[in-house]
Amino acid sequence: QSVLTQPPSVSGAPGQRVTISCTGTSSNIGAFYAVHWYQQLPGTAPKLIIYDNNNRPSGVPDRFSASKSGTSASLAITGLQDEDEADYYCQAYDSRLGTYLFGSGTELTVL
Amino acid sequence: QVQLQESGPGLVKPSETLSLSCNVAGEGISRYYWTWIRQPPGKGLEWIGYSHYTGSTDYNPSLRSRITISVDTSINQLSLNMNSVTAADTAVYYCASGSDTGHYMWWGRGTLVTVSS
Repeated sequence: QSVLTQPPSVSGAPGQRVTISCTGTSSNIGAFYAVHWYQQLPGTAPKLIIYDNNNRPSGVPDRFSASKSGTSASLAITGLQDEDEADYYCQAYDSRLGTYLFGSGTELTVL
Repeated sequence: QVQLQESGPGLVKPSETLSLSCNVAGEGISRYYWTWIRQPPGKGLEWIGYSHYTGSTDYNPSLRSRITISVDTSINQLSLNMNSVTAADTAVYYCASGSDTGHYMWWGRGTLVTVSS
């Protein structure tokens, strides 16, 4: 069971907005460590879509955004498209465990 | 841009040592924290550890007693050795480039390692 908790699944219709939460603790997200987000399409390696809490790498659409507050972080996807159907993972460092953690993962279904 | 390619045996017997390599091309190997991350079939991602070109390393405490990660800058290669493997070590193993803040921009395609007799 991951220390960074995400909902197992979310869904939305094309064009809609969805959010994915990532709940941590005072030793990771709440300790001001940067939160990063990845998108993983079936059978492929994860792809970085948000780094350092709310920055998008070059080439990632501005439909993807993220925020952080307290011990939680959130990824928002607006204007949902079929190609967004994938697994999404948050990631942060945990000072108590002394390791980088990935969230439990959320499967996004585009209806 | 960085290109990463993992290689190694797809099948390892229980109690033996898993050895993987990752060839690094593109930007110099003397820049990132070269990291191994794994993903058991149908499950989430697990950080294994990294090696920096300076020689510094850091490992997941849950795996520290069984793993060694190193970087050979002369051949632009990252390696992972994991001893005493069990079926629980069956996973896709990825190499990735780690930044100072811990995010991974570049990933290899991953290589599936199955632990079975």
